Amino acid sequence: NAGVTQTPKFQVLKTGQSMTLQCAQDMNHNSMYWYRQDPGMGLRLIYYSASEGTTDKGEVPNGYNVSRLNKREFSLRLESAAPSQTSVYFCASTYQIAGGYNEQFFGPGTRLTVL
Amino acid sequence: QKEVEQNSGPLSVPEGAIASLNCTYSDRGSQSFFWYRQYSGKSPELIMFIYSNGDKEDGRFTAQLNKASQYVSLLIRDSQPSDSATYLCAVILGEYGNKLVFGAGTILRVKS
Repeated sequence: NAGVTQTPKFQVLKTGQSMTLQCAQDMNHNSMYWYRQDPGMGLRLIYYSASEGTTDKGEVPNGYNVSRLNKREFSLRLESAAPSQTSVYFCASTYQIAGGYNEQFFGPGTRLTVL
Repeated sequence: QKEVEQNSGPLSVPEGAIASLNCTYSDRGSQSFFWYRQYSGKSPELIMFIYSNGDKEDGRFTAQLNKASQYVSLLIRDSQPSDSATYLCAVILGEYGNKLVFGAGTILRVKS
């Protein structure tokens, strides 16, 4: 099993460019998440998908859109990149059980720089 | 007040000592608590989770939870240089929450 995979690993964009970060998991998890991590800020939730066909905003959704393409794949799109979106982006997945144990497994991250 | 708070550190301990990492959270109804370890340039990995008040031990790691004080801690016994990393406290806020909220993390440095 590959676990959670993310592409690309590194990306440099110019302000105003768009791009899509890809995430896939092969653990049959129902819930998937996108986080960004900035120095001194910990991980902040951008969007999540509790199950296939649903998406919800997290703490910092502005400037992003997501698509839960199927149970395995959850993509994050930046429509018009801004320098404030320079960050490390992590995708995570879990098998969500209400009120139960919800270990999240993380992908290797995408390091994005917006010039 | 942040929902999950940690001292950013760095916390420096000598090899073989006990490292104590602390975390407080805002929502009294929270039920699930996690400690993740993150090495520099890597993704977070789960090392402990705890649901019930009291202590939970796993090898050199002990998680402690006090819901009345809204406080969770991680003790690392016999600290090794390989334990040097950032430790992230994460909480599923509220009784029926489905989102993890992370603290900013504490940097631990174990000196040999």
